[in-house]
Amino acid sequence: GESVGLHLPTLSVQEGDNSIINCAYSNSASDYFIWYKQESGKGPQFIIDIRSNMDKRQGQRVTVLLNKTVKHLSLQIAATQPGDSAVYFCAENWGGGSNYKLTFGKGTLLTVNP
Amino acid sequence: KAGVTQTPRYLIKTRGQQVTLSCSPISGHRSVSWYQQTPGQGLQFLFEYFSETQRNKGNFPGRFSGRQFSNSRSEMNVSTLELGDSALYLCASSLVVGNTGELFFGEGSRLTVL
Repeated sequence: GESVGLHLPTLSVQEGDNSIINCAYSNSASDYFIWYKQESGKGPQFIIDIRSNMDKRQGQRVTVLLNKTVKHLSLQIAATQPGDSAVYFCAENWGGGSNYKLTFGKGTLLTVNP
Repeated sequence: KAGVTQTPRYLIKTRGQQVTLSCSPISGHRSVSWYQQTPGQGLQFLFEYFSETQRNKGNFPGRFSGRQFSNSRSEMNVSTLELGDSALYLCASSLVVGNTGELFFGEGSRLTVL
């Protein structure tokens, strides 16, 4: 899994399997979390977000789980496809207005094998 | 709807020079943020502009500056370039300030400092 500040880990899965990408965030005051996907040569693309008053949120084929007790965030991708191959970043945000601080993790490289 | 456009996509400079990068946000988006992405440090927040005013800034030296125009287009400038400034510079736009919403990233400007 990934922790904000560590080297880029990798995850390799077979097409059709489910993928789970983990992220340990650092600030217990963080109140908003986002997952981004970055394909080679492109900018990050928003996948899904979750606020700290929730512990689960589902999108299309993706689910984000938030465990505030252990400061852990995960992204689950169902029926992983080759097009899901990319680097996935979690980001934590705390504060608001002009005093927010958004911190990105180093990312996890997901490789989907056909 | 056109996405976030960054120019130039690639550029090479030498130490001591300066560089200006440009970002055109999605139409209707008034917030523009800039990020530096390197293999070692990952994605790091530079600054955010909204309605032509800098609303938030990260921990970068004063050599990094930016501005936003009345049409929401933004530029960032790096003066007295150092080798360590080599990076992918990403611009992101959003409807709201303060990262309470989805960020839309451009494909970045890759700067190489020799």
